[in-house]
Amino acid sequence: SQQGEEDPQALSIQEGENATMNCSYKTSINNLQWYRQNSGRGLVHLILIRSNEREKHSGRLRVTLDTSKKSSSLLITASRAADTASYFCATAARSNDYKLSFGAGTTVTVRA
Amino acid sequence: DGGITQSPKYLFRKEGQNVTLSCEQNLNHDAMYWYRQDPGQGLRLIYYSQIVNDFQKGDIAEGYSVSREKKESFPLTVTSAQKNPTAFYLCASSMLTATNEKLFFGSGTQLSVL
Repeated sequence: SQQGEEDPQALSIQEGENATMNCSYKTSINNLQWYRQNSGRGLVHLILIRSNEREKHSGRLRVTLDTSKKSSSLLITASRAADTASYFCATAARSNDYKLSFGAGTTVTVRA
Repeated sequence: DGGITQSPKYLFRKEGQNVTLSCEQNLNHDAMYWYRQDPGQGLRLIYYSQIVNDFQKGDIAEGYSVSREKKESFPLTVTSAQKNPTAFYLCASSMLTATNEKLFFGSGTQLSVL
C-alpha cells in the first residue's frame, strides 16, 4: 500500500537555485527515507530520518520531518544539472511490518 | 564491485508465456525484494524474502512467483496469469534489521508485451 505522497509532481528550476519537495504520509512511522532515480535506472538511497529526529543534512541535501503534521521535506541547495531526476519518499511503519511504502515521486528538471 | 545485478535490461513476453527476471546480489544481504514501477507511479511491492527458502507476498503478488534457493539470488517469474505485465521491475536488497533500513537497488528490467 502506498502511504507517501510527494508534492509537487514536477518541478523545473534553473541551475544554482534551490529545489524543495514535500512528502505527506498517513500513519505513524518509524523512519522516512528519500531516494533518487535517474531515468530508466534503479533508485539510489539519499538520506534516512528517524521519527525522533527533526532535521538531517547530507552534503547539499536537507531533510526535515514533522511527525505532528505527518510530513517531510527535501531541500536540494545550489542545484546542478546532474540533480535532474525523480525523487521518492518512502516510509517504514510498524503497522506495515516496516516494509517500505513509496510515494509517486517528484520529477525535478534542472535547466542549465 | 559490490552490488545488485538485474538481467536482462529489456525483456519481451508473448501472450501466454512465462518469463523470469534475474536478480543477484553480492552484498551479503539477508533481505531481498521485488518492486513493480508503472509510469508516473511509485513502487509497489510484489514479493520479499528475509531468509533463504522463505518469502512473503507483497501488495501485488497475483500473477507472479519467486524462489529463494540461495542467499544471493531472488528470481521473479511473471506468469501468464499476470494480464498486464508491462512495467519496470526493480530488485532490491537490504540488511535485515528490526526496522527497515535503506534499500540497495538494481538497475531494473523493462518488461514489455509483444
